[in-house]
Amino acid sequence: NAGVTQTPKFQVLKTGQSMTLQCAQDMNHNSMYWYRQDPGMGLRLIYYSASEGTTDKGEVPNGYNVSRLNKREFSLRLESAAPSQTSVYFCASSGPRDFDTEAFFGQGTRLTVV
Amino acid sequence: ILNVEQSPQSLHVQEGDSTNFTCSFPSSNFYALHWYRWETAKSPEALFVMTLNGDEKKKGRISATLNTKEGYSYLYIKGSQPEDSATYLCAFSRLEYGNKLVFGAGTILRVKS
Repeated sequence: NAGVTQTPKFQVLKTGQSMTLQCAQDMNHNSMYWYRQDPGMGLRLIYYSASEGTTDKGEVPNGYNVSRLNKREFSLRLESAAPSQTSVYFCASSGPRDFDTEAFFGQGTRLTVV
Repeated sequence: ILNVEQSPQSLHVQEGDSTNFTCSFPSSNFYALHWYRWETAKSPEALFVMTLNGDEKKKGRISATLNTKEGYSYLYIKGSQPEDSATYLCAFSRLEYGNKLVFGAGTILRVKS
């Protein structure tokens, strides 16, 4: 049982380049999340998906797009990377109940934009 | 945007000390309050999920309480050990946002042996 799998683990981009961070979970969870972690700021929610086909903005959505094409996968896309997007990105999932269930996190993607 | 605040920002204690942290959140339309433990170079792992006012949870030396009417939760660690060193995060969700979790900035705990 793999849990939440994120790829890649590390990435260096040049300013203006695009990339997609992939996330997949095998726990039949409804909810999926993308967070970014910056020093002193904990985890900030970028986007949230309550179920397949639905997405909702979080605290810091600017510069990102997401796609939830099926229940297992939730991808995060940076269309034109900026140095301010240098961060560690975490994908998470929770469910199948949407009331009192804990979130499970992937291993994180360390992204550097130069 | 939900505002979740944690205090203190960091804490240094000696092995054997007991300690506690606070998580403050908006009290209206409360849905759930989560506590996570986050070790360096790892991913956050859940400690507790709390949903009812007055709820108390315990796991070994770690316990938590919840007051939804005044909007706060306490996490207690009894007899801290060096392996308790980690960042402790709380996360909050509000009724109208379902399971959308918003995290506080965390409390960094360092336990010296």
